[in-house]
Amino acid sequence: AQKVTQAQTEISVVEKEDVTLDCVYETRDTTYYLFWYKQPPSGELVFLIRRNSFDEQNEISGRYSWNFQKSTSSFNFTITASQVVDSAVYFCALSEGTGNQFYFGTGTSLTVIP
Amino acid sequence: ETGVTQSPTHLIKTRGQQVTLRCSSQSGHNTVSWYQQALGQGPQFIFQYYREEENGRGNFPPRFSGLQFPNYSSELNVNALELDDSALYLCASSFEWGSTDTQYFGPGTRLTVL
Repeated sequence: AQKVTQAQTEISVVEKEDVTLDCVYETRDTTYYLFWYKQPPSGELVFLIRRNSFDEQNEISGRYSWNFQKSTSSFNFTITASQVVDSAVYFCALSEGTGNQFYFGTGTSLTVIP
Repeated sequence: ETGVTQSPTHLIKTRGQQVTLRCSSQSGHNTVSWYQQALGQGPQFIFQYYREEENGRGNFPPRFSGLQFPNYSSELNVNALELDDSALYLCASSFEWGSTDTQYFGPGTRLTVL
């Protein structure tokens, strides 16, 4: 079974619109970590955020915000006032406290149209 | 800039050949993980090394092997290349053992097997 599901394969928005990328995860561990990475066309995965399972506080960083809800096993990512530079593939990832690997979703390709 | 570098950037091999990919981790990072990312997919965990010893492996055959050196460099070796091995290979370094720490990724090596 897929541990991380990103149901949105591709999203297109017009510049300055807000956009939310969905992430649903599955784990039986009580201690786990969730991540978001951005992958521009160059290929390098750029770290955006790390959240542990005991911290459900939402976080805002500039135009980026994250909504972590354990009740629905979701860790959604919102970009406010999107810009063309936000165009990339975004990956959600899960690591379990007992493991040694990251489980990645299949990614959401975001295109911001000027 | 994550401080993680990989070489070469691109590589073309033929089926049956062997290949060595190289990674230089961030200074002080004792853990290196390797991932395979097929086109349009999320990265898949190959294995992890911690202080020069293998520390877990994903669902990859033994022809995928690795080495980690004391100078924070590491190698991924793939023998008897198959067409399906064509992918972007990413290495990621982290300070801690396991998967609880943030992993910082290099730019990847794109391998094409003909």
